[in-house]
Amino acid sequence: EPEVTQTPSHQVTQMGQEVILRCVPISNHLYFYWYRQILGQKVEFLVSFYNNEISEKSEIFDDQFSVERPDGSNFTLKIRSTKLEDSAMYFCASRQGAPGETQYFGPGTRLLVL
Amino acid sequence: GNSVTQMEGPVTLSEEAFLTINCTYTATGYPSLFWYVQYPGEGLQLLLKATKADDKGSNKGFEATYRKETTSFHLEKGSVQVSDSAVYFCALIHTDKLIFGTGTRLQVFP
Repeated sequence: EPEVTQTPSHQVTQMGQEVILRCVPISNHLYFYWYRQILGQKVEFLVSFYNNEISEKSEIFDDQFSVERPDGSNFTLKIRSTKLEDSAMYFCASRQGAPGETQYFGPGTRLLVL
Repeated sequence: GNSVTQMEGPVTLSEEAFLTINCTYTATGYPSLFWYVQYPGEGLQLLLKATKADDKGSNKGFEATYRKETTSFHLEKGSVQVSDSAVYFCALIHTDKLIFGTGTRLQVFP
């Protein structure tokens, strides 16, 4: 069964460093998302992406964040200058077509900023 | 605004016990509702969903009914197994983004 994959599974970085989190969505999916979950808190929406453009972004998704689909398979989240409060589990998700269809999630990347 | 409220965990049960995890929502309109499950060390998996009032979603013995009158989507299972131990998230969809509850950890003991 097709699935969303994410790399790395864990990343430790120093405050101020740039990180890139990678996702490979399901191959025939057209809509892509990033969510995050700070330890002990809710899963929160960050950004949605369709047709090589951001569709919607949350207040969390400030200028330090960017997303890109550099080729036909990868979908990346970049944090330019990490802060301690960026430590969280980051989930990528994708869905196929019509609004309201199921979003399929990857296993997540646990980011720790020291 | 749109939000989801779940019961606090952890919920601790013996194998074969009956499970209820409460979920209520606040929303404009009638959004689709979801239960996702996160097994230890894994990502979020869709467990079941319901797209309109009175719909019942079901999967793997779990059920939830979309109740418009009580704005609820409680998760139930008649007989839990140790393998059901996981974190369960209730969610609604709003303008193509999922809004999650805080999650409820279920621990099932033999």
